[in-house]
Amino acid sequence: KNEVEQSPQNLTAQEGEFITINCSYSVGISALHWLQQHPGGGIVSLFMLSSGKKKHGRLIATINIQEKHSSLHITASHPRDSAVYICAGYGGSQGNLIFGKGTKLSVKP
Amino acid sequence: DTEVTQTPKHLVMGMTNKKSLKCEQHMGHRAMYWYKQKAKKPPELMFVYSYEKLSINESVPSRFSPECPNSSLLNLHLHALQPEDSALYLCASSQPTRSYEQYFGPGTRLTVT
Repeated sequence: KNEVEQSPQNLTAQEGEFITINCSYSVGISALHWLQQHPGGGIVSLFMLSSGKKKHGRLIATINIQEKHSSLHITASHPRDSAVYICAGYGGSQGNLIFGKGTKLSVKP
Repeated sequence: DTEVTQTPKHLVMGMTNKKSLKCEQHMGHRAMYWYKQKAKKPPELMFVYSYEKLSINESVPSRFSPECPNSSLLNLHLHALQPEDSALYLCASSQPTRSYEQYFGPGTRLTVT
């Protein structure tokens, strides 16, 4: 069965702190998607990766295929980073997304 | 243009009403998806259209009826909904021959009274 697990479920940080959100996935997941959702809002794609590392501004995503593990890092966190971050894996012939339960991040000023 | 648009943003409907949600993309994607998201939960897949043909129906009740009139447009027709159907309905699209990366729309917030 394809599964995606995220940790932590909730995370509170002070502005400026370095943040890491972790995601583990099962065999059958071919690529991972990191998504961001602000309260009451739609979903924004941050990264999709199947190997290595990607960086965009203060966000960095890494994936270790052997260990089936991915991390999302936020450097110099800011209150506007407060959102739910969702890890989702692609598995299945239709490219279906299997979602993790999300990590709710609150960054305090 | 990497945008998926959805209309309306908000919809309030009674249990006897018939309404439709609309999703549009102009990225040339040939797969389109409907998801339902309840509060504090991840999205749940409802339907997948691939090359304008329904390829996945995740046992969704018949009061939800999807339609894909052309490769850019996806509709979700709603009829006789229940209050528990109140949720955020998200549309997404992807290009099946490439990376499967899905692009999401902003969603329609549906309230059934």
